[in-house]
Amino acid sequence: GAVVSQHPSWVICKSGTSVKIECRSLDFQATTMFWYRQFPKQSLMLMATSNEGSKATYEQGVEKDKFLINHASLTLSTLTVTSAHPEDSSFYICSASGGVGEQFFGPGTRLTVL
Amino acid sequence: AQSVTQLDSQVPVFEEAPVELRCNYSSSVSVYLFWYVQYPNQGLQLLLKYLSGSTLVKGINGFEAEFNKSQTSFHLRKPSVHISDTAEYFCAVYDNQGGKLIFGQGTELSVKP
Repeated sequence: GAVVSQHPSWVICKSGTSVKIECRSLDFQATTMFWYRQFPKQSLMLMATSNEGSKATYEQGVEKDKFLINHASLTLSTLTVTSAHPEDSSFYICSASGGVGEQFFGPGTRLTVL
Repeated sequence: AQSVTQLDSQVPVFEEAPVELRCNYSSSVSVYLFWYVQYPNQGLQLLLKYLSGSTLVKGINGFEAEFNKSQTSFHLRKPSVHISDTAEYFCAVYDNQGGKLIFGQGTELSVKP
């Protein structure tokens, strides 16, 4: 149980285009989902907390107009990187809240912007 | 605010040797602690968690951790490591006020034959 999927697993796009990443909880309902960004050899950096049916809460320094988050259902949250640039290239990981403090993580999405 | 410090960024060890990955957290009234493992180009997998009760917590893959309140530590141990344990390990504490996990910097465990 408690499986979280992400799609796509990797994506390459041209600078200036937008990319959407999906995060799904496959066998449970997730009221809260989280989006992280991870640079090579570094820890996870929380970008935003997404609650179903409401606006996401962004961490300080994260541009909400750049990283659009939508949590339209209890099993799906999406992250759209708008007008992507090479500096947005990174490993993006989502997670879903499950129990006290625990989070179930997706496999991650490798974004490369050319 | 809560914080987590992983004292070793890299831990090289030979196969079948014991290993300890160290984690210290900032003090709090109540604390929920987690260890996650990340294999290359993958998400995080929960190894074990401490919420309450016994201070010795057993997890998957033969790992265990001990919650030490007086030393504010939650060190991860395994008596005999395998090559397949080579991965990045993250300690995390739940921040009650923010409703989110606070991660340490990670420890790269490298198991050599």
